[in-house]
Amino acid sequence: GDSVTQMEGPVTLSEEACLTINCTYTATGYPSLFWYVQYPGEGLQLLLKATKADDKGSNKGFEATYRKETTSFHLEKGSVQVSDSAVYFCALSSYGQNFVFGPGTRLSVLP
Amino acid sequence: GAVVSQHPSRVICKSGTSVKIECRSLDFQATTMFWYRQFPKQSLMLMATSNEGSKATYEQGVEKDKFLINHASLTLSTLTVTSAHPEDSSFYICGTGGGREYGYTFGSGTRLTVV
Repeated sequence: GDSVTQMEGPVTLSEEACLTINCTYTATGYPSLFWYVQYPGEGLQLLLKATKADDKGSNKGFEATYRKETTSFHLEKGSVQVSDSAVYFCALSSYGQNFVFGPGTRLSVLP
Repeated sequence: GAVVSQHPSRVICKSGTSVKIECRSLDFQATTMFWYRQFPKQSLMLMATSNEGSKATYEQGVEKDKFLINHASLTLSTLTVTSAHPEDSSFYICGTGGGREYGYTFGSGTRLTVV
């Protein structure tokens, strides 16, 4: 079945550092790919998405590019802030399949 | 996109009692609602998929008699945890929406603590 793998956390960075959270997937067909963010004590919010190969999703300074050749969708941000501290989930959705989430990566940004 | 309202956000109940969690789709006709459970510092586990006007589909290992799901209208799905026990304490979250094209929209979650 479909699956999503993320780098293990927690990731701890200083403010203004660069962020990369790796995400790779296994899926039949051509899934859509998503990044969700969960702030402490809250539900999930859609951060960005990409529906086909080479698409780049972006929002709030975060970016991720759908790489079909490497089956990856790495999340990047050039300069993180303390307010970015959260858990980030990579996810995919294929035709006829349920939404599949990765295990989540906890990010802590220190001032 | 869809807006999903989940209530309550937090609930503490005694062992043996039942708790109902409501999930409302405010601006979207949700024919399908997904219910997830999240254990501390872990990912989301799909429990069941509720379908408006029909029986819910439960994932393997999820007790349908314990986690009762009702989806009586296009705007409301409920999850009732029956005869709750401390091991049912968890974060429950519902989601619906545009699936593959637009992604799911999730409620804000319900933290259940059974004492």
